[in-house]
Amino acid sequence: AQTVTQSQPEMSVQEAETVTLSCTYDTSENNYYLFWYKQPPSRQMILVIRQEAYKQQNATENRFSVNFQKAAKSFSLKISDSQLGDTAMYFCAFMKLPRGSQGNLIFGKGTKLSVKP
Amino acid sequence: GAGVSQTPSNKVTEKGKYVELRCDPISGHTALYWYRQSLGQGPEFLIYFQGTGAADDSGLPNDRFFAVRPEGSVSTLKIQRTERGDSAVYLCASSLMGLADNEQFFGPGTRLTVL
Repeated sequence: AQTVTQSQPEMSVQEAETVTLSCTYDTSENNYYLFWYKQPPSRQMILVIRQEAYKQQNATENRFSVNFQKAAKSFSLKISDSQLGDTAMYFCAFMKLPRGSQGNLIFGKGTKLSVKP
Repeated sequence: GAGVSQTPSNKVTEKGKYVELRCDPISGHTALYWYRQSLGQGPEFLIYFQGTGAADDSGLPNDRFFAVRPEGSVSTLKIQRTERGDSAVYLCASSLMGLADNEQFFGPGTRLTVL
């Protein structure tokens, strides 16, 4: 079975600075996707960034980038130029690809990020 | 366009009662997922529909939980004989066709409290 571990229950960062959230996972699959989701107090999960395991290049989305280390099964999220609106729970998630199609998401326990003015 | 909607936003019920939670996916999305998020935890998968059929219900915790999607659009999660341990936020997500590259869009969830 796949598991996702987020070892930082809470993190804080000053506005405009950079913060990195950690995630490790365990799987015997070779082909899968990894995600970071943001969940603000409104409860709605919002996709931040996605990484396909077969791609060696790390994914980037504006201020958000990942450090994907497939052999180490590590998938960290770096947020640059942190903004007050980045304050939220962040969840790392794994998805295997049954027969190439979409599978369900397996989430970690989350990291609560607070951006301070 | 409209996103995934869920009703009610909050539901309070008494132990032993029956509840129904509704999910309206994005129009045209054939894949629909239910997840349960307990306090302090990440969401956990319950069931996946492709069209009208449940393609994977391996996450349903027991036979008190049941879900339907009779016309391939709206889905209802049904919980019989509710227990206090069922208290959680129930999230629904939909994706266009359930293909690997299709994003899962989430609704705001229903917070269920069982007294």
